[in-house]
Amino acid sequence: EDKVVQSPLSLVVHEGDTVTLNCSYEVTNFRSLLWYKQEKKAPTFLFMLTSSGIEKKSGRLSSILDKKELSSILNITATQTGDSAIYLCAGEGAGGTSYGKLTFGQGTILTVHP
Amino acid sequence: GAGVSQSPRYKVTKRGQDVALRCDPISGHVSLYWYRQALGQGPEFLTYFNYEAQQDKSGLPNDRFSAERPEGSISTLTIQRTEQRDSAMYRCASSSRTSGRGGEQFFGPGTRLTVL
Repeated sequence: EDKVVQSPLSLVVHEGDTVTLNCSYEVTNFRSLLWYKQEKKAPTFLFMLTSSGIEKKSGRLSSILDKKELSSILNITATQTGDSAIYLCAGEGAGGTSYGKLTFGQGTILTVHP
Repeated sequence: GAGVSQSPRYKVTKRGQDVALRCDPISGHVSLYWYRQALGQGPEFLTYFNYEAQQDKSGLPNDRFSAERPEGSISTLTIQRTEQRDSAMYRCASSSRTSGRGGEQFFGPGTRLTVL
């Protein structure tokens, strides 16, 4: 059974801090790893990673995949209160009928205090 | 429409009743996914479609749950004889498939189902 585990489960920081969120995965016929940000509404897409060692960057957020270690990290620098959210990691399978199926982790709750 | 839409946004029903949840994906997206999300957890896969074909229904909890997408666009998730344990947020997502890749999934706002 596919499994994705995130750590820490929750994190409280002050504005300006840098945070690193972790994700480890066991996904059959792994194709990609995705990061989402979830506030009160639907999860919104952040990154999709398919190649090991290549950092993807969007503003203060960046992410990298390590296929050897079956893991990924999401970094947020100079955190702001608007970064407060649940960050979800998901592994995508590519085998047979499970093409595109996402297995999500339980999420990391990030709280940024002013 | 501009994004994935779902209706109703909230549904309160009594135990034993049937409910139908609707998802309208992003126009042109061929893949459609249903997830269930409990409070404090990540979404849990239920089933998915490519066009009108249901490709994988391994995540449906039992035979009270079914889904269809008859014309390859709008989908309906039906729960028969609802039970209190069915209470959750039901989310739909859609994806375009290009170059043989699954592609990022775009989520709808969800339907909050409460079974009394």
